Amino acid sequence: GESVGLHLPTLSVQEGDNSIINCAYSNSASDYFIWYKQESGKGPQFIIDIRSNMDKRQGQRVTVLLNKTVKHLSLQIAATQPGDSAVYFCAEMAGGSNYKLTFGKGTLLTVNP
Amino acid sequence: SAVISQKPSRDICQRGTSLTIQCQVDSQVTMMFWYRQQPGQSLTLIATANQGSEATYESGFVIDKFPISRPNLTFSTLTVSNMSPEDSSIYLCSVQRIAGGPKETQYFGPGTRLLVL
Repeated sequence: GESVGLHLPTLSVQEGDNSIINCAYSNSASDYFIWYKQESGKGPQFIIDIRSNMDKRQGQRVTVLLNKTVKHLSLQIAATQPGDSAVYFCAEMAGGSNYKLTFGKGTLLTVNP
Repeated sequence: SAVISQKPSRDICQRGTSLTIQCQVDSQVTMMFWYRQQPGQSLTLIATANQGSEATYESGFVIDKFPISRPNLTFSTLTVSNMSPEDSSIYLCSVQRIAGGPKETQYFGPGTRLLVL
């Protein structure tokens, strides 16, 4: 089936810098996207979502950008903190899929103090 | 979001045995799902747990290996049957359609870490 992939498997940043995590998706029918954060030993934690009728959505220190033309999704984290160190997954959902999520491979974000 | 708990949180099992994992939510939800996350990998959907009817399995997963129950709107179980070392994974339940929340958003439990020897 179609899959969601990530450009970078690992990302290392300095504390206080901004982080950008990218995700490419291939299913043009996907109309809902979620970013999750998974810390070691824990389940995925919802960060932010975006629907396909939007191209940008902001949360607390996080922004998700959606470019449907090139099927690209990104998560921006402002002023990255050591507590942001985790694996980040993007996930997509296609209309008519009975609410099934397809996950990308994940990016490991390491924040250096 | 809802509070989702899973039992056990981790277990070490012998091959050929079976383990039943429980998922409990503190509020009624419409949809419940079970995922597998193999070591260092992403999440793969096993099945949708349907309340009052048989679960809907994804390609590559069968009921005989992963029987699922969902007796009500707050509880589900996943059994990993006749285990082999290849079943060593994290098993996660997720829930959707929490009252008052976006209908598509899925929230995950803490996971059950299974090691099969």
